Amino acid sequence: DAKTTQPPSMDCAEGRAANLPCNHSTISGNEYVYWYRQIHSQGPQYIIHGLKNNETNEMASLIITEDRKSSTLILPHATLRDTAVYYCIVRVADGGATNKLIFGTGTLLAVQP
Amino acid sequence: DTAVSQTPKYLVTQMGNDKSIKCEQNLGHDTMYWYKQDSKKFLKIMFSYNNKELIINETVPNRFSPKSPDKAHLNLHINSLELGDSAVYFCASSQAGTDTQYFGPGTRLTVL
Repeated sequence: DAKTTQPPSMDCAEGRAANLPCNHSTISGNEYVYWYRQIHSQGPQYIIHGLKNNETNEMASLIITEDRKSSTLILPHATLRDTAVYYCIVRVADGGATNKLIFGTGTLLAVQP
Repeated sequence: DTAVSQTPKYLVTQMGNDKSIKCEQNLGHDTMYWYKQDSKKFLKIMFSYNNKELIINETVPNRFSPKSPDKAHLNLHINSLELGDSAVYFCASSQAGTDTQYFGPGTRLTVL
């Protein structure tokens, strides 16, 4: 699986959009970009994933550049409860045969009141 | 209803003891995992089971023995506990054909 690079920490004002970047310059054509987050003292939580196209769900939007070498997770209206470590993970979508998520160090997003 | 549950939430024990952590999922998934998060917050996979069969074993010491009595349960038994085993252990599950994993709340193991 390709490696990812994320800033170690970011701040965001409550109510504003939080934009979390991720670099994955060695991503392969068959690798998806996944985002998970871990709120303090809780288990990781799936947020969103995508391959080429931008994706949106009730939690967030995922913007993937055309060359797929980077992506941005957008939380449109950050709340204090969004304070967490956000992990960007790339992996081959092999139908779950080797469902091994490789977590990096992630980005600690601190939402400020 | 809790999707992935673990018991106990906290476990404090002495070196050399044997302990078990239990995991249950009510999502109907057929793949379950154990992850370990150490004091530096690195989260690493330990085991993966699919339909009660071991799929992934990430060179974990054989003191760790997962057991899957059925698709909904994956327990982790640890023999001869060592100080370095202190960590938070997370159970997760996913449906075959997807890569979206659902994690439990974690079990904080402290070995004294």
